[in-house]
Amino acid sequence: NAGVTQTPKFQVLKTGQSMTLQCAQDMNHNSMYWYRQDPGMGLRLIYYSASEGTTDKGEVPNGYNVSRLNKREFSLRLESAAPSQTSVYFCASSEGAGQQPQHFGDGTRLSIL
Amino acid sequence: AQSVTQPDIHITVSEGASLELRCNYSYGATPYLFWYVQSPGQGLQLLLKYFSGDTLVQGIKGFEAEFKRSQSSFNLRKPSVHWSDAAEYFCAVGAWYGGSQGNLIFGKGTKLSVKP
Repeated sequence: NAGVTQTPKFQVLKTGQSMTLQCAQDMNHNSMYWYRQDPGMGLRLIYYSASEGTTDKGEVPNGYNVSRLNKREFSLRLESAAPSQTSVYFCASSEGAGQQPQHFGDGTRLSIL
Repeated sequence: AQSVTQPDIHITVSEGASLELRCNYSYGATPYLFWYVQSPGQGLQLLLKYFSGDTLVQGIKGFEAEFKRSQSSFNLRKPSVHWSDAAEYFCAVGAWYGGSQGNLIFGKGTKLSVKP
């Protein structure tokens, strides 16, 4: 059982380049999330999708866009990457939004030069 | 506003010693509380959760946590720490915004080091 799968695991970009981070879950969960993790900052929510067809902004949405492609897949796009977006990005899923435990992928380590 | 505070950024304990990691939350209603563990280079793994009922909850890897409403706390404990417990630990509270909207709010984490 793969759980939550993120691709790629590592990526280096130049400032101004665009990129899409992919996430897929095989647990038939309704809700999916994108977080970024920076040293000393914990996890900060970028966007989430409570159910297929809906997306909502989290705490730090600026500079990002998301697409809930279907129930399994939730992608995160950086249209014009900036050095401040250097971070580790985690995708998560849960049966329902809000008060359900979330299951995490192993992360994408993104460096922007 | 909902929030989670983990007062200790870094804790070092000796292998075999007991462990308590502190977590305080702010939430208006009955909270749904979680502890996660993150090993280096990995994602977060759920250790345990509290929804209601018995205020002492058992989790995986020998961890337990106690919910104390009067203190707004949900501290994580382990009687005897193993070297493999060295990791970062995150406390979280489930926030519901109405309808199908909601999320988990995470603390900033406590890094645990284990001395041999």
